[in-house]
Amino acid sequence: AQSVTQLDSQVPVFEEAPVELRCNYSSSVSVYLFWYVQYPNQGLQLLLKYLSGSTLVESINGFEAEFNKSQTSFHLRKPSVHISDTAEYFCAVRKVDDYKLSFGAGTTVTVRA
Amino acid sequence: NAGVTQTPKFQVLKTGQSMTLQCAQDMNHNSMYWYRQDPGMGLRLIYYSASEGTTDKGEVPNGYNVSRLNKREFSLRLESAAPSQTSVYFCASTTGTLFETQYFGPGTRLLVL
Repeated sequence: AQSVTQLDSQVPVFEEAPVELRCNYSSSVSVYLFWYVQYPNQGLQLLLKYLSGSTLVESINGFEAEFNKSQTSFHLRKPSVHISDTAEYFCAVRKVDDYKLSFGAGTTVTVRA
Repeated sequence: NAGVTQTPKFQVLKTGQSMTLQCAQDMNHNSMYWYRQDPGMGLRLIYYSASEGTTDKGEVPNGYNVSRLNKREFSLRLESAAPSQTSVYFCASTTGTLFETQYFGPGTRLLVL
């Protein structure tokens, strides 16, 4: 079975500063990788995903993540955060032949002015 | 499209009481899922239904039952609620193709006293 580790549970950051959220996974088979975002009192929304091809994937709101197969990582970055990026971020993994997701414990990002 | 809807939004139960959480999607998705979210543990899969007429256990099925009523609806039942079932419950759906992402409902907060 695959497992997902998010290395930081809380990340405070100032507005317009960069942020990196770390995610490592373990799996004996090929996987697809996802980042979901959960704004306060809401459900989860897909932020970005890696299925195949270019190892660098981007979202429409400035986040990017890079798949590193040798380090089994899928870290999420944003060069300049906004107050509105305050949320909880979940890394998730799915085996390529399965429909079930495995989630990390989540990283809470708090952006301060 | 309403997407994935869940009722109720919030519920308080006493230990031993039963209740059913309702989930419906209007996206003509084949697969539906029930998760629970607990602080520091991410989302854990309770049950899923790969297609109408089928259900399977996830990571934490004990104490729960599910019914895939039709293609649109997937309910989660707690027969005898316990304080350990205090959590936020999320329903999700997907077309079921291997490249599709999951769409989440807004969640149901359940408090068992």
